[in-house]
Amino acid sequence: QKEVEQNSGPLSVPEGAIASLNCTYSDRGSQSFFWYRQYSGKSPELIMSIYSNGDKEDGRFTAQLNKASQYVSLLIRDSQPSDSATYLCASSGSGNTGKLIFGQGTTLQVKP
Amino acid sequence: DTEVTQTPKHLVMGMTNKKSLKCEQHMGHRAMYWYKQKAKKPPELMFVYSYEKLSINESVPSRFSPECPNSSLLNLHLHALQPEDSALYLCASSQSLGPGGYYNEQFFGPGTRLTVL
Repeated sequence: QKEVEQNSGPLSVPEGAIASLNCTYSDRGSQSFFWYRQYSGKSPELIMSIYSNGDKEDGRFTAQLNKASQYVSLLIRDSQPSDSATYLCASSGSGNTGKLIFGQGTTLQVKP
Repeated sequence: DTEVTQTPKHLVMGMTNKKSLKCEQHMGHRAMYWYKQKAKKPPELMFVYSYEKLSINESVPSRFSPECPNSSLLNLHLHALQPEDSALYLCASSQSLGPGGYYNEQFFGPGTRLTVL
């Protein structure tokens, strides 16, 4: 069974701090990785995609991928209370099936 | 703003009713998906359509019947549902099923909150 694992949290950080969310995956052939943000009662929103080793930055968000360690992370700089949500890590796996393998999600709480 | 729309936003139905959920995407994507999401769980894939053909059925009970009338539209027909089918039903779309990278980025609609009495 191909898996994506995340710490469910909650992860609590003070406003203005860096929030670090982590994810590991078991399918070594996985190609693409995604971070979704989901507010309570809403649908998942794609916030970052990463396909190659290294860092990818978009505004306050940085995604990091290390395929050798099978590890993906999301850093949120200058965290705001509006960042409080559940963050879902997903992998596309190694086949072109369209299936996303989701982690269980990490709940982030940013305290003013 | 999401470019995947879903109707209705909320639906309450009895176990003997027949209803349909509708999804439309305006991004020219050729792959569309139905997911079911229970509270505090990740989305669970139900069906995948690629170029209007059913590509994946994740062993979903036959009381859920998908339909893809054209490349922009996706329906989910519901019949004789059970209370445990109450959930948030999400539609998503992506460029295609491959060859990886941004082609696989899936964009979700706002969902339909379904309650089965």
